[in-house]
Amino acid sequence: EPEVTQTPSHQVTQMGQEVILRCVPISNHLYFYWYRQILGQKVEFLVSFYNNEISEKSEIFDDQFSVERPDGSNFTLKIRSTKLEDSAMYFCASSGSRGTIYFGEGSWLTVV
Amino acid sequence: KQEVTQIPAALSVPEGENLVLNCSFTDSAIYNLQWFRQDPGKGLTSLLLIQSSQREQTSGRLNASLDKSSGRSTLYIAASQPGDSATYLCAVILFGNEKLTFGTGTRLTIIP
Repeated sequence: EPEVTQTPSHQVTQMGQEVILRCVPISNHLYFYWYRQILGQKVEFLVSFYNNEISEKSEIFDDQFSVERPDGSNFTLKIRSTKLEDSAMYFCASSGSRGTIYFGEGSWLTVV
Repeated sequence: KQEVTQIPAALSVPEGENLVLNCSFTDSAIYNLQWFRQDPGKGLTSLLLIQSSQREQTSGRLNASLDKSSGRSTLYIAASQPGDSATYLCAVILFGNEKLTFGTGTRLTIIP
């Protein structure tokens, strides 16, 4: 069964460093998303991406964050200058239409 | 602002029992509702999607219902098994939005 894949599975970074989280969405999907889950809290929406542009973003997704689809298969989330409060599990997701959204296994980010 | 609530936060039942998980949402103008399963430290596995025009969906031992007018959905699990132990999350998308709004989840433990 097709799946969303994410790398790395776990990254530890120092505060102030840039981090890039990578995702390969399901191949024929058109909508791409990033969500995050701080330990013990709800899953929160960050951003959605369609037709090579951001279609919706949350208040969390400030100027420190950016997304890119550099080629036909990858979808990345960049955090420019990480803060302690960015420590969370980051989930990439995709959907073929505005139907079922499929999530990856997540990337644990620990900022120290 | 859409709020999604799941009660109870945790539930333990003996193996073989049927059980119901509850989800409520404040804004009934939903486009669809999705139920997910999350194992500890893992990603989100989509279980069922209910479109706003539907009343229920079934997959194997799982049945999800939707009552938009009362702002509620239930996930019914028949003949529970230890492998069903996980956190179950519901999430909704409003018309005109891209984002899923998640509940806090119900942590289910099936006792062998």
